[in-house]
Amino acid sequence: DGGITQSPKYLFRKEGQNVTLSCEQNLNHDAMYWYRQDPGQGLRLIYYSQIVNDFQKGDIAEGYSVSREKKESFPLTVTSAQKNPTAFYLCASSIDRKQPQHFGDGTRLSIL
Amino acid sequence: QKEVEQNSGPLSVPEGAIASLNCTYSDRGSQSFFWYRQYSGKSPELIMFIYSNGDKEDGRFTAQLNKASQYVSLLIRDSQPSDSATYLCAVESGGSYIPTFGRGTSLIVHP
Repeated sequence: DGGITQSPKYLFRKEGQNVTLSCEQNLNHDAMYWYRQDPGQGLRLIYYSQIVNDFQKGDIAEGYSVSREKKESFPLTVTSAQKNPTAFYLCASSIDRKQPQHFGDGTRLSIL
Repeated sequence: QKEVEQNSGPLSVPEGAIASLNCTYSDRGSQSFFWYRQYSGKSPELIMFIYSNGDKEDGRFTAQLNKASQYVSLLIRDSQPSDSATYLCAVESGGSYIPTFGRGTSLIVHP
């Protein structure tokens, strides 16, 4: 089945630790996105990538980093510089930037 | 700053009624409009998208777009308790094509 797979489903971060959230898609989509959702809030864009080896900062990129070495994969690293990382992280993809986005199941990140 | 506004609700409707969800946006250059449904604890699921002024129907769902007034609506006919969720409006601008999401409207359909 085609889709977007995020892992892990739950993740705990210790102080000063970097953690990486995985996002893989087998839809052959060019564009991929990372969003953060806090309780009662809408989705805020962290980073997006239109093609392999290229990505752009979104509205809240500070404390996060990404890579796009393969079309299928767009991992997000939450660095120790992100002081309030507790949130629901959503990865999405679309055929291209003009088409609707489809979301993975999300990763819930908490601080230990 | 591109803004997308939604009434947070909750909007409560009886089973079988029409639920009307509204969204306004600030960027007059916006070209693409999306509605997502998000159940509690789950990820958003695409319901409808609309690009042109007027109505677009898909089953019990109708999206309505009025670019002159800068609003987009979602109508849900014959509402069911399973429609109870948060509905997110997303609007893409003509420049970046990256959608801006509203905070969502919580819909409760009671039996």
